[in-house]
Amino acid sequence: EVQLVQFGAEVKKPGESLKISCKGSGYTFSTYWIAWVRQMPGKGLEWMGTIYPGDSDTRYSPSFQGKVTISADKSIATAYLQWSRLRVSDTAIYYCARRRESGYSAFDLWGQGTLVTVSS
Amino acid sequence: QSVLTQPPSASGTPGQRVTISCSGSSSNIGGNTVNWYQQLPGTAPTLLIYDTDQRPSGVPPRFSGSKSGTSASLAISGLQSEDEADYYCATWDDRMNGRVVFGGGTKLTVL
Repeated sequence: EVQLVQFGAEVKKPGESLKISCKGSGYTFSTYWIAWVRQMPGKGLEWMGTIYPGDSDTRYSPSFQGKVTISADKSIATAYLQWSRLRVSDTAIYYCARRRESGYSAFDLWGQGTLVTVSS
Repeated sequence: QSVLTQPPSASGTPGQRVTISCSGSSSNIGGNTVNWYQQLPGTAPTLLIYDTDQRPSGVPPRFSGSKSGTSASLAISGLQSEDEADYYCATWDDRMNGRVVFGGGTKLTVL
């Protein structure tokens, strides 16, 4: 089955670090761009950045550049999103999504999302 | 504030035809293809329309997309109760070294 698998939830305190993952299966992971998308509580979708696992070429949204790090390990078909110091405002659902071969914003396969809760 | 503008809500009765608009500019919709996503309550988004007017396999033909100038539209004909969801448009924006931009989303209610 073609899928992206994410862990369900993380609970952290402000100032802590976090790395969440997205594991692909059922297709050649290294040949499709993977994006990270944020959805804050009750809000819309925001593109954070995209990585090509084949060579780790990464593009960031200006809104998230310097605030998060996107990486990938093609040997285990996994992409990552990490924070060095979490803030309460990072509380959100984070989705990974596979980009179609054509079209920068066409994401045809989504993970189920990871709910990140940051609270003291 | 989203780069792409969608109405926050839309509604219709079963069987009706509903359209959802997405307004942008020459740097995004005007020069790039548009994609639409459906997000059912409590679930991840799914791709509904890609390349402005193409349906992924499995998406029924009552969903259609179009574009004119710097605006795009999603049309749903033969509205069904299971269509009640949030809908988002998305495209590439050529400004700021390029980025993916989403509309703010439209909550569709089936009355």
